[in-house]
Amino acid sequence: NAGVTQTPKFQVLKTGQSMTLQCAQDMNHNSMYWYRQDPGMGLRLIYYSASEGTTDKGEVPNGYNVSRLNKREFSLRLESAAPSQTSVYFCASSEADQPQHFGDGTRLSIL
Amino acid sequence: QKEVEQDPGPLSVPEGAIVSLNCTYSNSAFQYFMWYRQYSRKGPELLMYTYSSGNKEDGRFTAQVDKSSKYISLFIRDSQPSDSATYLCAMRVPGGGGNKLTFGTGTQLKVEL
Repeated sequence: NAGVTQTPKFQVLKTGQSMTLQCAQDMNHNSMYWYRQDPGMGLRLIYYSASEGTTDKGEVPNGYNVSRLNKREFSLRLESAAPSQTSVYFCASSEADQPQHFGDGTRLSIL
Repeated sequence: QKEVEQDPGPLSVPEGAIVSLNCTYSNSAFQYFMWYRQYSRKGPELLMYTYSSGNKEDGRFTAQVDKSSKYISLFIRDSQPSDSATYLCAMRVPGGGGNKLTFGTGTQLKVEL
């Protein structure tokens, strides 16, 4: 019963490097989301995909791109990583307007 | 001012105590309210989901919503060490908008033996 799976769990990058965070869900949900979590800031929405083939910006989209590869998979890409993007990244999914289910996160450090 | 305010804690209580966790919000359009529990190095896990004023109970957990005061609470009865976690409130407006949630910053709870 996997739910939402994120890879990798940990990653260290140098400033300027690029990276793609992967997310897959096995609950047949239409909607998927990417958040970042920083101390004192709570969870902030980066991008979301209401359905396969659509993506929209959230609260903090700058410096990120996303791809809804198919109904199961939603990836987040950092084209040129910056230290300000050091964070814990969470992927979530939901069916329509039902509560979201989260993965266990990717801990990303950018030096 | 943030749309959702939540005391970050940490809150430390003895085992068996009743715990009260709270959030206030400023956007009167919020109609759906959630509480998530997040253990260290894990993702948030849904605890309670409600869309009406009043109380909703699930085992040792009770969610309370007061829309007139823009205030929600989560009560934990007979608290256990396994309840030690960060508790996040979340809320959203009804209808379109992509089911976007607005989160509080979380309250860290420690239940001690």
